[in-house]
Amino acid sequence: GAVVSQHPSRVICKSGTSVKIECRSLDFQATTMFWYRQFPKKSLMLMATSNEGSKATYEQGVEKDKFLINHASLTLSTLTVTSAHPEDSSFYICSAREGTTSTDTQYFGPGTRLTVL
Amino acid sequence: SQKIEQNSEALNIQEGKTATLTCNYTNYSPAYLQWYRQDPGRGPVFLLLIRENEKEKRKERLKVTFDTTLKQSLFHITASQPADSATYLCALAGTNAGKSTFGDGTTLTVKP
Repeated sequence: GAVVSQHPSRVICKSGTSVKIECRSLDFQATTMFWYRQFPKKSLMLMATSNEGSKATYEQGVEKDKFLINHASLTLSTLTVTSAHPEDSSFYICSAREGTTSTDTQYFGPGTRLTVL
Repeated sequence: SQKIEQNSEALNIQEGKTATLTCNYTNYSPAYLQWYRQDPGRGPVFLLLIRENEKEKRKERLKVTFDTTLKQSLFHITASQPADSATYLCALAGTNAGKSTFGDGTTLTVKP
């Protein structure tokens, strides 16, 4: 099956610093990539949808200036958490989809555990 | 507002039995419903998709039903094995935007 990678898998940073997370589709071209955040024993919360070459569409309540998303190519999307604070500590997961319809399978990355001290 | 409820946070069953997980939704008319498996510290893995005009879908030991009148989907794992232990998430999607909304998941533990 299709493979999506995320890097890093785990990151610890100091409050006030910025952290970049990469999401790559390894064997297919991802027209659409999604970024989620997940709290322990909770559902995946969609943060934003990004289409290659265009601006990301953010969900209500997600600060676009804090969570910068760039989808510069069909195989790479990045999420930058700017000026991170302890409340940003979470599990961030990306997914990639080859097509544009909801029936096209989303392939998820392994996630990135962010801890802000 | 849209709401998705998965029947219980945790489900424990004996190996060999059939596990049945429930996904109920309100204020939503999804065109598609999907089930995913998620292991601790990992991203979800897609299992099955069922469309609104389909009543049932099967894949090996997995069976999914979709009742749009009851606004409910049932996910069955027959002849369950300890390796089936994981959290199972249901996700609903409409026809536009292609976004999926996820439930909180049910953690299944299959005991040998």
